[in-house]
Amino acid sequence: EAGVAQSPRYKIIEKRQSVAFWCNPISGHATLYWYQQILGQGPKLLIQFQNNGVVDDSQLPKDRFSAERLKGVDSTLKIQPAKLEDSAVYLCASSLGPRQETQYFGPGTRLLVL
Amino acid sequence: GENVEQHPSTLSVQEGDSAVIKCTYSDSASNYFPWYKQELGKRPQLIIDIRSNVGEKKDQRIAVTLNKTAKHFSLHITETQPEDSAVYFCGDAGGTSYGKLTFGQGTILTVHP
Repeated sequence: EAGVAQSPRYKIIEKRQSVAFWCNPISGHATLYWYQQILGQGPKLLIQFQNNGVVDDSQLPKDRFSAERLKGVDSTLKIQPAKLEDSAVYLCASSLGPRQETQYFGPGTRLLVL
Repeated sequence: GENVEQHPSTLSVQEGDSAVIKCTYSDSASNYFPWYKQELGKRPQLIIDIRSNVGEKKDQRIAVTLNKTAKHFSLHITETQPEDSAVYFCGDAGGTSYGKLTFGQGTILTVHP
């Protein structure tokens, strides 16, 4: 079974630039998550999709971050404009469904904002 | 889950010793508690989880215990090996949120040969 795929693996940008990350979940997984993991901390949920609908985006900085999962499969997360404090690893995860389902993580995208 | 506190932040043991990491949660409605292991530069991977209708679960050298009354759960690793060295994160989910998983701050475990 193929795992969660993410690209790019690394990205370096300057502040105020924009960046986009892509995630392809495990086939058949209805729930998709984007997490931000700052160095030395646990992952923090940014947004959770159930199929193509958003069920939780309470911790997403909506003035600069956006995400979509138009067809209920792949997802993109965008930051525009980026700030220095956005430097982190962005992890995508998927699960069969919400609530008590095992989440499988992708390898992450390491973002450095200069 | 809404808030999870994890202790200790770092743990150093000798090979063969046991390691215990504890997490405390605040949402009494939380009902799912996973533990993830993250090696340096790699993705978090689930090692064991427990649901609120069970008090203990074991998988070879790894066990998790849950005390719902006190709202804490612990990871126990016995006969530690150098390859157990990693960052361990606890999580809690369920309750009032739509299955939202909240992670603790992590414990850096170092097993010395």
